Amino acid sequence: GQQLNQSPQSMFIQEGEDVSMNCTSSSIFNTWLWYKQEPGEGPVLLIALYKAGELTSNGRLTAQFGITRKDSFLNISASIPSDVGIYFCAGLRDTGNQFYFGTGTSLTVIP
Amino acid sequence: EAQVTQNPRYLITVTGKKLTVTCSQNMNHEYMSWYRQDPGLGLRQIYYSMNVEVTDKGDVPEGYKVSRKEKRNFPLILESPSPNQTSLYFCASSSRDGWSPLHFGNGTRLTVT
Repeated sequence: GQQLNQSPQSMFIQEGEDVSMNCTSSSIFNTWLWYKQEPGEGPVLLIALYKAGELTSNGRLTAQFGITRKDSFLNISASIPSDVGIYFCAGLRDTGNQFYFGTGTSLTVIP
Repeated sequence: EAQVTQNPRYLITVTGKKLTVTCSQNMNHEYMSWYRQDPGLGLRQIYYSMNVEVTDKGDVPEGYKVSRKEKRNFPLILESPSPNQTSLYFCASSSRDGWSPLHFGNGTRLTVT
């Protein structure tokens, strides 16, 4: 099955810095999702995007559905220690029966 | 509270000893799916189900079985576990009405010795 290309693979940042990560694909997607996974826990949905060009915020998190429908971006502003975790994207194509996942971005925030 | 519940959370077993990991959701979702998560490989789909009595193979179905006799339950069965099935397993569900985002369980960490 297709995996989405997610970058960067890992990030080490100072508390207070902004974070950017992205997912790309060679295929068109109708839905883009961003999840956060903390150690020992299941992924938790952060933001869902349903329309090309859509820009959606959830607190300090902002995600965008790329206008080509082949990519999506997640930004975290003013990072704090509790932002630590693995962030990964997921996409749903118009065939609608399988979600595809990025391999994740591991975020470490240094106080 | 809307949730996907997996049991057990942790399981250590020996090669060849049949086991079942249960998954239940209380959101009346039609779609349910099993994934395994391994370092560097991300989430890989094992099996999925579009509705009761409808199941299909995902990307890595070998060595696994599933059943969907009721809408809320989607157990994962390992008839003869092997060490390469040591992994972190997640069950997830979604509504097919507008394809809501996947809701994940908290995971089952399986070790096969």
